[in-house]
Amino acid sequence: NAGVTQTPKFQVLKTGQSMTLQCAQDMNHEYMSWYRQDPGMGLRLIHYSVGAGITDQGEVPNGYNVSRSTTEDFPLRLLSAAPSQTSVYFCASRETGVPDTQYFGPGTRLTVL
Amino acid sequence: DQQVKQNSPSLSVQEGRISILNCDYTNSMFDYFLWYKKYPAEGPTFLISISSIKDKNEDGRFTVFLNKSAKHLSLHIVPSQPGDSAVYFCAASSPRKSTFGDGTTLTVKP
Repeated sequence: NAGVTQTPKFQVLKTGQSMTLQCAQDMNHEYMSWYRQDPGMGLRLIHYSVGAGITDQGEVPNGYNVSRSTTEDFPLRLLSAAPSQTSVYFCASRETGVPDTQYFGPGTRLTVL
Repeated sequence: DQQVKQNSPSLSVQEGRISILNCDYTNSMFDYFLWYKKYPAEGPTFLISISSIKDKNEDGRFTVFLNKSAKHLSLHIVPSQPGDSAVYFCAASSPRKSTFGDGTTLTVKP
């Protein structure tokens, strides 16, 4: 199993550009989530999904869109990038139920100029 | 209002000694607590968890203690090894979401 994969690893955008961060998992997990980590801070939940076709907002959803058309994929879209979105983005997945043991991808480091 | 707090940004210990990492939370509705370990340029990896109905869980060198009355949990690593040097995140879980602390950077000196 590849686990959770994310592409790209690094990305530089200009303010106002759009892009999609890709996330895929091969563990057949129903639950997937996106976090951002800023320097010296913990992971903050952006959006999450409990299954195909179902998404919901986390703590910091503004400026981001998600969709979940398949169990495997959970892309994160930035419609109009802003410097405040410079961060490291992690995708995670887990089986439904407790305990909440999430498997994280390696992260995407995004810089918005 | 930060619901999960790790008040020590960093901790340095000697190899072979005990490392104690602390975490405080404010929401009594959390039902699981977890510790994740993160190396630079990698995603966090799950380390150990504890249910809110227990007060201790042990896995090899790692033990997590939960004090519900104080809303406090701690991670003990005994003995500490240089390979344990990493950032440790405490997380508190409710049915659909996890809330993370800001992390503690542990350095284990040979």
